[in-house]
Amino acid sequence: AQSVTQLDSQVPVFEEAPVELRCNYSSSVSVYLFWYVQYPNQGLQLLLKYLSGSTLVKGINGFEAEFNKSQTSFHLRKPSVHISDTAEYFCAVSGASGGSNYKLTFGKGTLLTVNP
Amino acid sequence: EAGVAQSPRYKIIEKRQSVAFWCNPISGHATLYWYQQILGQGPKLLIQFQNNGVVDDSQLPKDRFSAERLKGVDSTLKIQPAKLEDSAVYLCASSPDRGIETQYFGPGTRLLVL
Repeated sequence: AQSVTQLDSQVPVFEEAPVELRCNYSSSVSVYLFWYVQYPNQGLQLLLKYLSGSTLVKGINGFEAEFNKSQTSFHLRKPSVHISDTAEYFCAVSGASGGSNYKLTFGKGTLLTVNP
Repeated sequence: EAGVAQSPRYKIIEKRQSVAFWCNPISGHATLYWYQQILGQGPKLLIQFQNNGVVDDSQLPKDRFSAERLKGVDSTLKIQPAKLEDSAVYLCASSPDRGIETQYFGPGTRLLVL
């Protein structure tokens, strides 16, 4: 089984500042990793995912994340945030072994608030 | 391309009543998921369908929750009877297959049990 810990429940930042949302995972098998964003009263939207290959993954809206296997982390970063980035961000993990059905386990979420 | 549709968007019921939620996935998507998202937590998978068969329902409270996916398209999730702790957002998602393809989420149904 896998688990996800999002270390910050809330992250307030000013517009145009850089931001990092932290995510650590636990798993006894190889994993796939995801970041989803949820805007108010909407469903989740995929930002980016790591399946294999380069550990630096680029996603939509200028976000990127780096897979660090030794530290079991998958932190999300953006060099300069906008007001419109205000949302809840969820890190998720799935087992990568065959026959796992790729079940997603989500963290509790980090509320990013971008202030003017 | 139309997204995942869910209805109703909001529902308020009293405990011990029953309630049903409907989901229409993206056309052609074989896999459908129902998640429960309690306030302050991430989504938790309740049940996963592949076409009209159940792949995983290990976290579905089967004494009160049921779900079906007739003809491998639309799906209905039912709660009977509802408890206070069932207050949550119920999210439906779909993906093209049961692999690691991206899951596309609907807007959710917000349930309040009084």
